[in-house]
Amino acid sequence: GAVVSQHPSWVICKSGTSVKIECRSLDFQATTMFWYRQFPKQSLMLMATSNEGSKATYEQGVEKDKFLINHASLTLSTLTVTSAHPEDSSFYICSARDPVSGSSYEQYFGPGTRLTVT
Amino acid sequence: AQSVTQLDSHVSVSEGTPVLLRCNYSSSYSPSLFWYVQHPNKGLQLLLKYTSAATLVKGINGFEAEFKKSETSFHLTKPSAHMSDAAEYFCVVSGAGNTPLVFGKGTRLSVIA
Repeated sequence: GAVVSQHPSWVICKSGTSVKIECRSLDFQATTMFWYRQFPKQSLMLMATSNEGSKATYEQGVEKDKFLINHASLTLSTLTVTSAHPEDSSFYICSARDPVSGSSYEQYFGPGTRLTVT
Repeated sequence: AQSVTQLDSHVSVSEGTPVLLRCNYSSSYSPSLFWYVQHPNKGLQLLLKYTSAATLVKGINGFEAEFKKSETSFHLTKPSAHMSDAAEYFCVVSGAGNTPLVFGKGTRLSVIA
């Protein structure tokens, strides 16, 4: 089946620094990827839809300048948390659809990245 | 617009007894429905999916779900719970085209020995 990877799986950074999270589709090309955020014991919250070669579409309430998304190729999308603060600490998960076999609109999820800002 | 309601935030069962996790959905058109499982500090794993074929869907690890359009439900069941089934379960609906998935709030399943 389709595989999505994320890197790093776990990162600690100091307040005020920036952190980049990578999301890769390993065996398929994804024109669209999605970024989610999950707080402890809560459901996934969609942050943005990442479109290859164009600007991301952000959900209401998500700061575009703080959460920079780049989808430069069909297999890679990156999320950069700029000037991170402790309240940005969370579990970030990406997903992607396989446009060839994904007729059921199924999304394949990455394993997630745990961000801790100190 | 689409939405998903998971009727129980927490379900506790004894090992070897049946599991029922309830999910109701709302959709303007024929939806695709999914159940995902998430173990602590892990990503999401697809259990099963409904895509307008058979209404009774069998998934991995002995789980199954039945799509009932008249009741707008997609409840997840398993005949006999195992300790390893303890996790968070999400009911998810997807609409047409490249629209994002809509997640329920999750149901935490505890399995008691």
